[in-house]
Amino acid sequence: EAGVAQSPRYKIIEKRQSVAFWCNPISGHATLYWYQQILGQGPKLLIQFQNNGVVDDSQLPKDRFSAERLKGVDSTLKIQPAKLEDSAVYLCASSPWREDNTEAFFGQGTRLTVV
Amino acid sequence: LAKTTQPISMDSYEGQEVNITCSHNNIATNDYITWYQQFPSQGPRFIIQGYKTKVTNEVASLFIPADRKSSTLSLPRVSLSDTAVYYCLVGDNDYKLSFGAGTTVTVRA
Repeated sequence: EAGVAQSPRYKIIEKRQSVAFWCNPISGHATLYWYQQILGQGPKLLIQFQNNGVVDDSQLPKDRFSAERLKGVDSTLKIQPAKLEDSAVYLCASSPWREDNTEAFFGQGTRLTVV
Repeated sequence: LAKTTQPISMDSYEGQEVNITCSHNNIATNDYITWYQQFPSQGPRFIIQGYKTKVTNEVASLFIPADRKSSTLSLPRVSLSDTAVYYCLVGDNDYKLSFGAGTTVTVRA
């Protein structure tokens, strides 16, 4: 089966500009996650969707970050305006909801550099 | 969410067995224990999941004692390609997939 698709793979922007990332999860996966991974650190959960509803966005900096999941399938994550400290890899993951399942599938990520 | 503690780094040599222990004293009754592996420039990859006793798959084994307050990921006969960061996560099927800093395993020739 096809994996989690993310685009773009790389993005360089100037601070105060805006940027958007796109994620296409594995077909049929109800749960979708966005993570921010700063170099040398573990992934930090930004937002979790169950279908098109938000389960957890407690760590999403809502003054500059926004995310949506259209019709419970694709998702976009936007940053506006970007700051230097937003430089990181943004990872999307999806998971089928099953009672005994804790496996999520990750995309390759988008490496963002803010200059 | 149960907090996990694991070593920051471990070194090994090719052909050896690597055991990474994760402490999760506050694990809840419904929580599973899951391990992920991450190579540079890639997203994390699921390795194994367990609830109690021992689970084995083609990649690793997971040992969970009766009190479930810790778990040990065992990688048999590692090779250079097993050099990666390994993350221990604890939660139920609705959990937030919260990653810590992980354990950097370096395998040397």
